[in-house]
Amino acid sequence: EDKVVQSPLSLVVHEGDTVTLNCSYEVTNFRSLLWYKQEKKAPTFLFMLTSSGIEKKSGRLSSILDKKELFSILNITATQTGDSAIYLCAVESGYGGSQGNLIFGKGTKLSVKP
Amino acid sequence: DSGVTQTPKHLITATGQRVTLRCSPRSGDLSVYWYQQSLDQGLQFLIQYYNGEERAKGNILERFSAQQFPDLHSELNLSSLELGDSALYFCASSPRARINTGELFFGEGSRLTVL
Repeated sequence: EDKVVQSPLSLVVHEGDTVTLNCSYEVTNFRSLLWYKQEKKAPTFLFMLTSSGIEKKSGRLSSILDKKELFSILNITATQTGDSAIYLCAVESGYGGSQGNLIFGKGTKLSVKP
Repeated sequence: DSGVTQTPKHLITATGQRVTLRCSPRSGDLSVYWYQQSLDQGLQFLIQYYNGEERAKGNILERFSAQQFPDLHSELNLSSLELGDSALYFCASSPRARINTGELFFGEGSRLTVL
């Protein structure tokens, strides 16, 4: 059965800290891995990763994928209180011309204290 | 604002009842996805429609059904409701059948409480 496991499930840090969120997966026919940020309600897209070893970066956030070891990490440097959210990892699986479905992990709840 | 509209935002009903959740995708998006988010299960994919046709099916119960109409809005029907159906139901849309850009646009969700 396809699965996506995120760790830790929750994390409390102070402003200015650097955090690393983990996502491991076991899926058949991997297509891509995605990170989302969910603050209050709707998840918002952060990154999409398809190739190993290529870092995606947006401001203080960065992410990288390891397709051999089947995991990805999301780094947040110099954290701010506005980074407090649930970070969701999702993997798209599928094959041939069929639609890839997103399998989500349970998320990591990050709390950044002032 | 993602451009995806879901109604109602909140819904409280009793066990055994039936409810309908509605979703209007972003203008121009042909794919609509439904997800269920509960505290212990995270986001679970239910079903996807593309241009009116069912495209992919996930962990959707037989008591649940969905459809996408010619104007591309979609409805998720939940019947014979049970306490365990209480959850946040998200609709998301994307332009094409596959998530080519990796970006799904999520609505704000409909929170269903079954008492």
